Amino acid sequence: QITLKESGPTLVKPTQTLTLTCTFSGFSLSTPGVGVGWIRQPPGKALEWLALIYWNDDKRYCPSLKSRLTITKDTSKNQVVLTVTNTDPVDTATYYCAYRRESLGSGYPDWGQGTLVTVSS
Amino acid sequence: QSALTQPAAVSGSPGQSITISCAGTSSDVGAYNYVSWYQQHPGKAPKLIIYDVNQRPSGVSDRFSDSKSGNTASLTISGLQPEDEGDYYCISYTSSSTWVFGGGTRLTVL
Repeated sequence: QITLKESGPTLVKPTQTLTLTCTFSGFSLSTPGVGVGWIRQPPGKALEWLALIYWNDDKRYCPSLKSRLTITKDTSKNQVVLTVTNTDPVDTATYYCAYRRESLGSGYPDWGQGTLVTVSS
Repeated sequence: QSALTQPAAVSGSPGQSITISCAGTSSDVGAYNYVSWYQQHPGKAPKLIIYDVNQRPSGVSDRFSDSKSGNTASLTISGLQPEDEGDYYCISYTSSSTWVFGGGTRLTVL
């Protein structure tokens, strides 16, 4: 059974760096074809794809946010970390991490429960 | 990359069929058969319901189907049921090897 869980601060001040951790089980990020992505959703608004890291450390970022995002993995800890620099109130959102596997198609079949982050002074 | 375009809201009565469109460009929806659809209920994480042209994860009803024509993908829900009410999102893989979501569609079952 695949599970993912997001963790991090619930409140961040503007301009600070937000660091979120996705801790997962049921798969290994060293398995070829496996990836973990981050998606966010501002309150009452649409989903936004942010970033993805693959088993081979290949990284993909949302073009409009690329300069502010960094995604890394710690395979031994079964964790993926997303950092968002220079935060702004518009970054207030529920942040989700999600699993994908190339052999299962282009979708993200498993998601964490999400963590709400508020950016406010 | 710009968000894919979905209608803000659709509605239907139980038993009816509805279709939600997802319009993109030749760099995303039109580039590959890599569009997937998610259902989201209030306060819950999105759930994958269909991907890559009529591929359904185990346990997802065959009342859900999708299609694609050019740069537009569509999700059809047949035999509408009250539990189908919620938000639906499309997402497409892009020619830049990234993903882009649609703006979401609120489905109301009358």
